[in-house]
Amino acid sequence: NAGVMQNPRHLVRRRGQEARLRCSPMKGHSHVYWYRQLPEEGLKFMVYLQKENIIDESGMPKERFSAEFPKEGPSILRIQQVVRGDSAAYFCASSPNRRNEQFFGPGTRLTVL
Amino acid sequence: AQTVTQSQPEMSVQEAETVTLSCTYDTSESDYYLFWYKQPPSRQMILVIRQEAYKQQNATENRFSVNFQKAAKSFSLKISDSQLGDAAMYFCAYSPSGGSNYKLTFGKGTLLTVNP
Repeated sequence: NAGVMQNPRHLVRRRGQEARLRCSPMKGHSHVYWYRQLPEEGLKFMVYLQKENIIDESGMPKERFSAEFPKEGPSILRIQQVVRGDSAAYFCASSPNRRNEQFFGPGTRLTVL
Repeated sequence: AQTVTQSQPEMSVQEAETVTLSCTYDTSESDYYLFWYKQPPSRQMILVIRQEAYKQQNATENRFSVNFQKAAKSFSLKISDSQLGDAAMYFCAYSPSGGSNYKLTFGKGTLLTVNP
């Protein structure tokens, strides 16, 4: 059973460009969570999605950030008009139901030049 | 809001020795969950151990055990017989029970070095 997959592993963008981060949950998991890890910090919760629904986006910046988890395909975290402060590692986790035993992917390291 | 504090930015231990990593947290809840995650250089987050606050017995997973002191809001991780593969960043995390039990709050981490 493959684990949580994230791609790309590394992403470099220039200021003002868009970043699209993908997360494929573990097989049988319909709940996805996104976390952001700034340098020398712990992970911070951003958003919780269940298939086709955003359940909790309380940790997501109000502007430029959006997330989706369509019926088919991976979950996408989209950052528009990236700024240097968006440089971080973005982790996706999944679970089979609404719970805290989450399985993490390897993360996407976003660097904004 | 809940907070998790790891007061040791870095720790080191000799191979085969025992090391304890500290974690304190702040919450007004009576029921919640606590976790230790390991993040090796590959950056993959791996769950090491999980404790439910209503359980008085300390959780144990092989060489990893916790000392959970609910009144003191302390949750330390003990690694026995340390191995080179234990070298990693260790994060303590908290989640509430109930409707928001998916929302993990992490500390800033402790970097553990294992010396041969």
